[in-house]
Amino acid sequence: DAMVIQNPRYQVTQFGKPVTLSCSQTLNHNVMYWYQQKSSQAPKLLFHYYDKDFNNEADTPDNFQSRRPNTSFCFLDIRSPGLGDAAMYLCATSRGTAGYGYTFGSGTRLTVV
Amino acid sequence: GESVGLHLPTLSVQEGDNSIINCAYSNSASDYFIWYKQESGKGPQFIIDIRSNMDKRQGQRVTVLLNKTVKHLSLQIAATQPGDSAVYFCAEKGQYTGANSKLTFGKGITLSVRP
Repeated sequence: DAMVIQNPRYQVTQFGKPVTLSCSQTLNHNVMYWYQQKSSQAPKLLFHYYDKDFNNEADTPDNFQSRRPNTSFCFLDIRSPGLGDAAMYLCATSRGTAGYGYTFGSGTRLTVV
Repeated sequence: GESVGLHLPTLSVQEGDNSIINCAYSNSASDYFIWYKQESGKGPQFIIDIRSNMDKRQGQRVTVLLNKTVKHLSLQIAATQPGDSAVYFCAEKGQYTGANSKLTFGKGITLSVRP
């Protein structure tokens, strides 16, 4: 089945140690998003790619970066994780600007120790 | 500023009853709305969507109603089952153009189904 896959499901990293989360999709959607979701809160958009064009949200910390080497893959890099970065990170995809087919992955739960 | 919000943080219903989850939005230019269900430890799961040119849309056991006059969205779940227990989010998309296409989520509401 076409889907959005996130790896790993659970990630533990040390304070200040760079970590990368990955997302892949078989939907051939041209837009990919990264969201941060903290406990009992709504997902918060960090940034998105429209094809190769990167769009950063104004309030996304510089500590968060992203790469999209091809249509299928997108990575979230946290350069120096702090305790406040512990959260669920969700990847989503959609077809174009209308937002059709907006599909989420199962998320990666990040713990910072 | 623009916001999408849910009226109540929790909702408890008896199994078999109908559930109604409400959502208010403030951006009158919003043209697309989605309801998501999120179970513990999982990503949001699409339930149903509606465009601003409609006021009602039905799916399997679910109905979404849109009232643009008062900027109100609701999700109705018929014959609520224990498997419906989850956090529900409404989300809206404004009339972005070009390369921008993103959703704004409201605060989640927890639906708890009593056996």
